[in-house]
Amino acid sequence: GENVEQHPSTLSVQEGDSAVIKCTYSDSASNYFPWYKQELGKGPQLIIDIRSNVGEKKDQRIAVTLNKTAKHFSLHITETQPEDSAVYFCASCGNQFYFGTGTSLTVIP
Amino acid sequence: GAVVSQHPSRVICKSGTSVKIECRSLDFQATTMFWYRQFPKQSLMLMATSNEGSKATYEQGVEKDKFLINHASLTLSTLTVTSAHPEDSSFYICSAFVFGTANEKLFFGSGTQLSVL
Repeated sequence: GENVEQHPSTLSVQEGDSAVIKCTYSDSASNYFPWYKQELGKGPQLIIDIRSNVGEKKDQRIAVTLNKTAKHFSLHITETQPEDSAVYFCASCGNQFYFGTGTSLTVIP
Repeated sequence: GAVVSQHPSRVICKSGTSVKIECRSLDFQATTMFWYRQFPKQSLMLMATSNEGSKATYEQGVEKDKFLINHASLTLSTLTVTSAHPEDSSFYICSAFVFGTANEKLFFGSGTQLSVL
């Protein structure tokens, strides 16, 4: 089955700096890659996604890039704010969803 | 995005009791819903896939008699933890597929924190 690896597991950045989270996948059939933000005690919230026919997608301060050849995709958050602090999960989807292990992001004011 | 409503958000119960968790799709029909379990500081663990009008498909190692899933309508799936014990304490989250033309997405409910005393 699919194997999704996510790095780093924890990330601390100063407010205003950028944060990058990377994921790799193994299944060539995977064609949909969403990113979720989960705050403490809440369910994951879809923040951005990308499909395999696109290399990059941006939505205000967040962007996702996909390298199908290398089988990796990344989440980029620019101008980070304290409210960006949360756990972020990547996912890979072919026939079913596989989730990464999560990245705990802390934005230091 | 689509709204998936999950209730209750938190439940505390005595050992041996059963607890029902509801998951509703509010503005779309969900043929397929998923139930996850999450331990502190860990990723999401898929428990079962709930299909409207048919039996749920359970992942390996998940006791189907322990975790009863019912998907009686296109907008409601329920998870019942039967005869709950302290080891069942966890964060349970449902999710639903929203299908579109090459545009399917997965949305999550707000989760239920179950604490069994």
